[in-house]
Amino acid sequence: QKEVEQNSGPLSVPEGAIASLNCTYSDRGSQSFFWYRQYSGKSPELIMFIYSNGDKEDGRFTAQLNKASQYVSLLIRDSQPSDSATYLCAVDNTDKLIFGTGTRLQVFP
Amino acid sequence: DAGITQSPRHKVTETGTPVTLRCHQTENHRYMYWYRQDPGHGLRLIHYSYGVKDTDKGEVSDGYSVSRSKTEDFLLTLESATSSQTSVYFCATTQGGDTQYFGPGTRLTVL
Repeated sequence: QKEVEQNSGPLSVPEGAIASLNCTYSDRGSQSFFWYRQYSGKSPELIMFIYSNGDKEDGRFTAQLNKASQYVSLLIRDSQPSDSATYLCAVDNTDKLIFGTGTRLQVFP
Repeated sequence: DAGITQSPRHKVTETGTPVTLRCHQTENHRYMYWYRQDPGHGLRLIHYSYGVKDTDKGEVSDGYSVSRSKTEDFLLTLESATSSQTSVYFCATTQGGDTQYFGPGTRLTVL
């Protein structure tokens, strides 16, 4: 069974620090990778997607993909208390997505 | 964001009653999905649709059925609700089959 794994956390970082969120996946044939943010009681919202090995930057967010190691990560620079949420990693699976269980991030002032 | 609405947003029902949740989208997206989200399990796919009248099962489809008679509407039915189906249900859509956009969710409680 194809799997996506994340550490559930919580990951606690001080305001202004870099938060590093990690995700591993089992299907070597996966092509598309997504990071969603979910605030408590709300629906998931897309932050970034990445298709190619390497880094992709969007503002304070950087997604990193290493297909050889089957590893995708999300870096959040200059973390803010408003970044406190659960971050879901998702991997494509033939017209569907497989989601990890999410990592809860807490940014303290 | 894709224009996705879900109704009802909250529902409390009793064991054994039928329940239908509705997902409505205004983006003309081809694919629609129903997930449930429970603590410790993350988002799990119940059923999905890849076109009008075209549906398929996800990993937790037992006890659920779906229908899609129009592009914009995807219905999830619990024929006879059980307490194990208490959950938050999310609908999602996509045109291309990968990047998905989520509706606001429906919180269902089965007593």
